[in-house]
Amino acid sequence: DTEVTQTPKHLVMGMTNKKSLKCEQHMGHRAMYWYKQKAKKPPELMFVYSYEKLSINESVPSRFSPECPNSSLLNLHLHALQPEDSALYLCASSLWDRGDGYTFGSGTRLTVV
Amino acid sequence: SQQGEEDPQALSIQEGENATMNCSYKTSINNLQWYRQNSGRGLVHLILIRSNEREKHSGRLRVTLDTSKKSSSLLITASRAADTASYFCATDYGNNRLAFGKGNQVVVIP
Repeated sequence: DTEVTQTPKHLVMGMTNKKSLKCEQHMGHRAMYWYKQKAKKPPELMFVYSYEKLSINESVPSRFSPECPNSSLLNLHLHALQPEDSALYLCASSLWDRGDGYTFGSGTRLTVV
Repeated sequence: SQQGEEDPQALSIQEGENATMNCSYKTSINNLQWYRQNSGRGLVHLILIRSNEREKHSGRLRVTLDTSKKSSSLLITASRAADTASYFCATDYGNNRLAFGKGNQVVVIP
């Protein structure tokens, strides 16, 4: 299996809702990442997990809460989002500290109304 | 964080022509990577060049790296309509923060 699977592909949520994005990989990668991408912009790093521990938080607002239950799974819990949080959320994985390329999922297109 | 910057940002070419994109960065890197993105979906890793390498090939792709000028180029030879996409360079400074450049939109006209 050489894929990163993200669910759902599309999500519309209200500003008072709580929702979660899921990401799964079975490549044995011990580093997993969340990126946010606005239209016509490059992806921006949000969080980095290594060996199931949060190693980097790029000053992301607390309404975004990451979780790594095991080495194959990464979640992003969403609560009280704003319309400006609407974006494509991308999950990626890689071998930790090997300087290899990342494998990205297809993303979740999030719309906050 | 520092990011690579590609130049030019939009490129329209005829099928069969070559497409070249450039990327510059600001400080020493471990490696530089190129990714392709179709229609706002996930990114696909194309090629990685390490700081001690000068040129790398993968199929119709050729990447060069000039560490003295802190720049890289991606050449796509004999382009096809399916190559229409956005192309991003990304720099790995060794701190597990892969930073993406602004991206190039390439349109290949059949």
